[in-house]
Amino acid sequence: ETGVTQTPRHLVMGMTNKKSLKCEQHLGHNAMYWYKQSAKKPLELMFVYSLEERVENNSVPSRFSPECPNSSHLFLHLHTLQPEDSALYLCASSQQTFGTGPEKLFFGSGTQLSVL
Amino acid sequence: AQTVTQSQPEMSVQEAETVTLSCTYDTSESDYYLFWYKQPPSRQMILVIRQEAYKQQNATENRFSVNFQKAAKSFSLKISDSQLGDAAMYFCAWRQGGSEKLVFGKGTKLTVNP
Repeated sequence: ETGVTQTPRHLVMGMTNKKSLKCEQHLGHNAMYWYKQSAKKPLELMFVYSLEERVENNSVPSRFSPECPNSSHLFLHLHTLQPEDSALYLCASSQQTFGTGPEKLFFGSGTQLSVL
Repeated sequence: AQTVTQSQPEMSVQEAETVTLSCTYDTSESDYYLFWYKQPPSRQMILVIRQEAYKQQNATENRFSVNFQKAAKSFSLKISDSQLGDAAMYFCAWRQGGSEKLVFGKGTKLTVNP
């Protein structure tokens, strides 16, 4: 496989469920990101991991919990979500030069999440 | 706070014609980058073109070019010889130099008519 792979592609969950989104990048990049894409709103950065350490947490509620066990894998653990959390969750990766920021993001196809 | 505005929710173009998508941004920073990303129905965002603010020359990538007007804080995307495969959502984005965070606009849905 190449690029950035996200699973599952679709997810329906109840407000009391616990689920996880998975992202895997096959590009040898050193940074990974979670973005949220809601209808009629701009994409919002949720979390950034650089060299497996979280470097940005964009004021995301604690019901979203990221995990980056290595530079190729990124998870987003979900629990007690609200209906307004329904959105497309996009994972991205980049190869960063320290201090300059990402030159180009490579995105996955996202997980379409519906919270009932 | 930095904002990115795309004033055209939807645009359409005839195949082989040229279309321009608008983007304005608001920032007091001097070191920043601007991007156009494309999101086809497959949902996977793809970088179309990138511009460094310190460069006066407009970026070009094959049929895609930008008109970067720094003083006006405008960054429009021109697509020449439009093809059916260009149909997608197009997002303008801004990033401060050294920052991890991309700030996106709400997007423009481009339809290409055969």
